[in-house]
Amino acid sequence: DVKVTQSSRYLVKRTGEKVFLECVQDMDHENMFWYRQDPGLGLRLIYFSYDVKMKEKGDIPEGYSVSREKKERFSLILESASTNQTSMYLCASSIASDLAKNIQYFGAGTRLSVL
Amino acid sequence: GQNIDQPTEMTATEGAIVQINCTYQTSGFNGLFWYQQHAGEAPTFLSYNVLDGLEEKGRFSSFLSRSKGYSYLLLKELQMKDSASYLCAVTDSNYQLIWGAGTKLIIKP
Repeated sequence: DVKVTQSSRYLVKRTGEKVFLECVQDMDHENMFWYRQDPGLGLRLIYFSYDVKMKEKGDIPEGYSVSREKKERFSLILESASTNQTSMYLCASSIASDLAKNIQYFGAGTRLSVL
Repeated sequence: GQNIDQPTEMTATEGAIVQINCTYQTSGFNGLFWYQQHAGEAPTFLSYNVLDGLEEKGRFSSFLSRSKGYSYLLLKELQMKDSASYLCAVTDSNYQLIWGAGTKLIIKP
């Protein structure tokens, strides 16, 4: 079974803090993704990566950055946390071989509260 | 713009059948996914449709009509554990996934 592990289930941070969200997958997947999930909205893509050291902006990259130094690990960084970044953050991974049937495997999520 | 519409919430009775609809308007189409997400848990893959018609997988079936921009997920013999949110997502012409907001399904005894 594919396992995608997010380092924290719950985080509480203060406005202006730098926040790191870590994600590790154990299936040697090339693709990794960071989403945020808010009530009443579909998953919104923040950043994704198709390979080590590669990153692409998603739909809502402002206020975020990412790092992928190793294939299995994809980190999301909030440079200066703000209250509107309070959300559920989901990490996902997928195999690169089929662009269309690109089944994504998700972590359990990190619920971040910024006070 | 790109849009995925599905009902916000549905209620059904244990043992019954429920159909969750999804309509989409996207720039191109390369397949439609259904995922299940229990409260506080990760979304998990249920089904993928790229051709018109019905795909059956046990108690769950998924239907696609590309000409109508429409899909549904059919759940039979409902069990309490089926209480969850069901997410519809479409792969567009750039192979990006566009997600619906999800349908929360409540199963009553």
